[in-house]
Amino acid sequence: AQSVAQPEDQVNVAEGNPLTVKCTYSVSGNPYLFWYVQYPNRGLQFLLKYITGDNLVKGSYGFEAEFNKSQTSFHLKKPSALVSDSALYFCAVRSSSGNTPLVFGKGTRLSVIA
Amino acid sequence: EAGVAQSPRYKIIEKRQSVAFWCNPISGHATLYWYQQILGQGPKLLIQFQNNGVVDDSQLPKDRFSAERLKGVDSTLKIQPAKLEDSAVYLCASSLVGGTSTDTQYFGPGTRLTVL
Repeated sequence: AQSVAQPEDQVNVAEGNPLTVKCTYSVSGNPYLFWYVQYPNRGLQFLLKYITGDNLVKGSYGFEAEFNKSQTSFHLKKPSALVSDSALYFCAVRSSSGNTPLVFGKGTRLSVIA
Repeated sequence: EAGVAQSPRYKIIEKRQSVAFWCNPISGHATLYWYQQILGQGPKLLIQFQNNGVVDDSQLPKDRFSAERLKGVDSTLKIQPAKLEDSAVYLCASSLVGGTSTDTQYFGPGTRLTVL
């Protein structure tokens, strides 16, 4: 069965500092990995995805994520955090084997402090 | 390009009542998904349609939940009768093709359901 772990419920970072939101996964077959962001009272917005190829994926709003197969991780990063980045971030995984559902982690709340 | 539309945005009902949610996906998207997001958790897939056929409804509580996608466009999710534990945000998403696992899903704003 597929699963995603986001080990931190909350991440606090000062504005201008780099940020990392952690994600590890478990899946049979090759993983397809996604990051979404959720602002209050809004749906999930797609940030980026890893399908194949370069392990470093660049996405929207200056975010990037690094796929590490040996560590089964897909951490989200940004070089310089903004207060407006404060939101709930979800990592999700889908298996390359068949039409399996997209499975989400429980989310990490990012708080960027001015 | 218009995004995924959902209505209503908020709904409060008493237990044992019925409720329905509506979703209009992005134009041209063949696949439509309904998710349930309970507070403090990630979204969980309830049902997936490809055009007007059901692809996956393995996690849909079929004794009380039903969904349809007539004509392969709009979709309605119904709960009858509602229970307290159904309080959640119901998210609709769509993707262009859906038959491939690499497809990006785009989400609507959700409907927040409170069951009293």
